[in-house]
Amino acid sequence: KQEVTQIPAALSVPEGENLVLNCSFTDSAIYNLQWFRQDPGKGLTSLLLIQSSQREQTSGRLNASLDKSSGRSTLYIAASQPGDSATYLCAVLNAGGTSYGKLTFGQGTILTVHP
Amino acid sequence: GAGVSQSPSNKVTEKGKDVELRCDPISGHTALYWYRQSLGQGLEFLIYFQGNSAPDKSGLPSDRFSAERTGGSVSTLTIQRTQQEDSAVYLCASSLGPGIRTDTQYFGPGTRLTVL
Repeated sequence: KQEVTQIPAALSVPEGENLVLNCSFTDSAIYNLQWFRQDPGKGLTSLLLIQSSQREQTSGRLNASLDKSSGRSTLYIAASQPGDSATYLCAVLNAGGTSYGKLTFGQGTILTVHP
Repeated sequence: GAGVSQSPSNKVTEKGKDVELRCDPISGHTALYWYRQSLGQGLEFLIYFQGNSAPDKSGLPSDRFSAERTGGSVSTLTIQRTQQEDSAVYLCASSLGPGIRTDTQYFGPGTRLTVL
């Protein structure tokens, strides 16, 4: 059964810092890995999607990497801003096993960027 | 264009009552998903509809849970004889489908269900 773990569970940083969020998964049989953002009381917003054949994706101040063989992904946020405060979720789209075709989510990292 | 919408945004019910949660996907999206987000459990897959195919119900936690999708658009998630452990945020997502490898899911704001 696929398991996704995110570290740290919570992170508080001053504005302007560069930061890294970590995600690991146990089964490398995946189609893609996605990073989502969730604001309090809101749904999820897709930030980046990395296909299994890709190594990284970039969008603005965000850069996500994927090392499928080691089961790891990182989300790098440059020059953090208070508006980046949210919960960040990592999810893998499974390509095998009983969870085929389904997203398995991590528990999330709660990020607070203070002015 | 409008995103995924869900109603109601909040629902408080008494144990044993039935509830219906509604999801309106993005127009033109053929795939629709229901998830549940609860404390301690994270985000769990419940059910997946793709076009006119039979839905994938493998994530439904018990036979008290059911869902339907009428006309390939609006979906309703029904929970019968609600229990306190059903309290959670129920999220709906839709995607263009069926290009599973690259398909981005767009999520609604969720329905917060509280069972007293």
